[in-house]
Amino acid sequence: NAGVTQTPKFRILKIGQSMTLQCTQDMNHNYMYWYRQDPGMGLKLIYYSVGAGITDKGEVPNGYNVSRSTTEDFPLRLELAAPSQTSVYFCATQPGQVLSGANVLTFGAGSRLTVL
Amino acid sequence: AQSVTQLDSHVSVSEGTPVLLRCNYSSSYSPSLFWYVQHPNKGLQLLLKYTSAATLVKGINGFEAEFKKSETSFHLTKPSAHMSDAAEYFCVVSEATGFQKLVFGTGTRLLVSP
Repeated sequence: NAGVTQTPKFRILKIGQSMTLQCTQDMNHNYMYWYRQDPGMGLKLIYYSVGAGITDKGEVPNGYNVSRSTTEDFPLRLELAAPSQTSVYFCATQPGQVLSGANVLTFGAGSRLTVL
Repeated sequence: AQSVTQLDSHVSVSEGTPVLLRCNYSSSYSPSLFWYVQHPNKGLQLLLKYTSAATLVKGINGFEAEFKKSETSFHLTKPSAHMSDAAEYFCVVSEATGFQKLVFGTGTRLLVSP
């Protein structure tokens, strides 16, 4: 049981290049999220998905795109990399919608991206 | 709107001494509150969560937190620090109204000296 797997772990991009960060989960969780973590800023939500075929913007979606064709996969695409996208990116999952209480997020190990 | 404030960006303690990491929150609804820990170059791991049950919540590795509605606080404590506790800690708030939109604090780095 791998949980949440992110690839690559590290990547250096040149300005204007594009790339996809992969996220795969084997827990059959409905909800998936992409966060970015900048020093001293906590985690900011980029995009999220509540199920296959459904995605929505989070707090900082500009410069990113996502898709969710299967329950397992939630790739994050950077089309024209900019230095402001230098960050650590985390994918997370959650079992599903609840009306009360709280479901816990399960995080991947992160992908460190540098744009030069 | 909900928000969370971690009052200290860094906390330094000696091994064997108590740990206190402070967190204040703001929420329009009955919140769910979490503490996550992040060790260097790792993902975030849940330490504990409060979901309107007991106000004193016990988590992993000897950590606990107390939900105080009157003070809008959810401070994290541990009686005796261990070297392995050195990490970044995040306080997180979520309004339990359906979709779980979480708001993260900016983090507190815990340094533990021998």
